[in-house]
Amino acid sequence: GAGVSQSPRYKVAKRGQDVALRCDPISGHVSLFWYQQALGQGPEFLTYFQNEAQLDKSGLPSDRFFAERPEGSVSTLKIQRTQQEDSAVYLCASSLSGGWGYTFGSGTRLTVV
Amino acid sequence: AQKITQTQPGMFVQEKEAVTLDCTYDTSDQSYGLFWYKQPSSGEMIFLIYQGSYDEQNATEGRYSLNFQKARKSANLVISASQLGDSAMYFCAMRSNSNYQLIWGAGTKLIIKP
Repeated sequence: GAGVSQSPRYKVAKRGQDVALRCDPISGHVSLFWYQQALGQGPEFLTYFQNEAQLDKSGLPSDRFFAERPEGSVSTLKIQRTQQEDSAVYLCASSLSGGWGYTFGSGTRLTVV
Repeated sequence: AQKITQTQPGMFVQEKEAVTLDCTYDTSDQSYGLFWYKQPSSGEMIFLIYQGSYDEQNATEGRYSLNFQKARKSANLVISASQLGDSAMYFCAMRSNSNYQLIWGAGTKLIIKP
């Protein structure tokens, strides 16, 4: 596609529910990143894929967070047993070579109530 | 450790004036890149400008320029002739060759007054 597409745009989850956030990167982009942006703050790195390989998941805040990119294109970020502190905007970005030209999606705003 | 500092939480600027948004960074790497992004209320991160650590000239992109002072580790964004549509959050970010993660500042909220 022309840009990075994220869905849903907004998600409200009850505490304890599982959620799945989708990212459809630009076609041909090898690298894919997930960031978490709490209200009023800058984004923080969650995880990085190169094709289907998850090369870095050091930013995932707990084992409730899980990301996958099974065919090297679309990626899903899953959060199990959501907590209020998970409320944030989740941003996905892709790039051609894992380097310097990132394109971001519009993000998914997750609110846990 | 790498760090980005943006000391201006918010700024008000009169339309058509120039504005400078401050950014200082800390890294021990010799090769790195500095980015500025704009985030309107819609939430998307919009790339504005990039400066490589070995670039001798300051980067420019239309109304945006980056005032890069390597010795002072600062990378301020200058917006000339501000417009109402420039009202948004602005983030400074850094990436080094040794780490593909973007490290972000806390952002500056810019409001352009008519």
